[in-house]
Amino acid sequence: AQKVTQAQTEISVVEKEDVTLDCVYETRDTTYYLFWYKQPPSGELVFLIRRNSFDEQNEISGRYSWNFQKSTSSFNFTITASQVVDSAVYFCALTLNTGGFKTIFGAGTRLFVKA
Amino acid sequence: NAGVTQTPKFRVLKTGQSMTLLCAQDMNHEYMYWYRQDPGMGLRLIHYSVGEGTTAKGEVPDGYNVSRLKKQNFLLGLESAAPSQTSVYFCASRPIFQTTNEKLFFGSGTQLSVL
Repeated sequence: AQKVTQAQTEISVVEKEDVTLDCVYETRDTTYYLFWYKQPPSGELVFLIRRNSFDEQNEISGRYSWNFQKSTSSFNFTITASQVVDSAVYFCALTLNTGGFKTIFGAGTRLFVKA
Repeated sequence: NAGVTQTPKFRVLKTGQSMTLLCAQDMNHEYMYWYRQDPGMGLRLIHYSVGEGTTAKGEVPDGYNVSRLKKQNFLLGLESAAPSQTSVYFCASRPIFQTTNEKLFFGSGTQLSVL
């Protein structure tokens, strides 16, 4: 069965702290995609990053970085020098390459960044 | 280019009433999905469609029906609403598999309350 686990329900940090959001996934498929989406208080879902199963290269985009490790089935997300505007719910998701390309979401991690 | 449009944005129903949520996309996407979002549970797939005239069940299909009579529209119906269907509903679409643009395109959501 396919599954995405975000063990951290809520995280609270003070502005300028670094924070890492954990994501562990389960699948027997060899081809899949991993995503992070952000949901700010306004409610819309914002795409942040995509990684396919063949590309374990880590990525950095500004204050955001992602660490993909197939050996531990993890796709963790780090925000460096957090800001109040980073306060949101963050979802990790897994898209399979078969059966309608369904996307399975984790339960989400709510991040509070205090000034 | 409107992307994915959901109507209505808000709705309050009484138990037993019926309603239809409309999702329209103008990107000529083949795949369309309906998700519900509940606190602490992430987004769960209700039904999906891989093309005009086709539908399939997702993770939580009970109590819902869908139709895809036109490629651009995906309707979600509640025949007899129950309080357990109080949720935020998101529609999403995606094109046929693309390595460079693999992601979901989301609507802005519908907040449904069943009293």
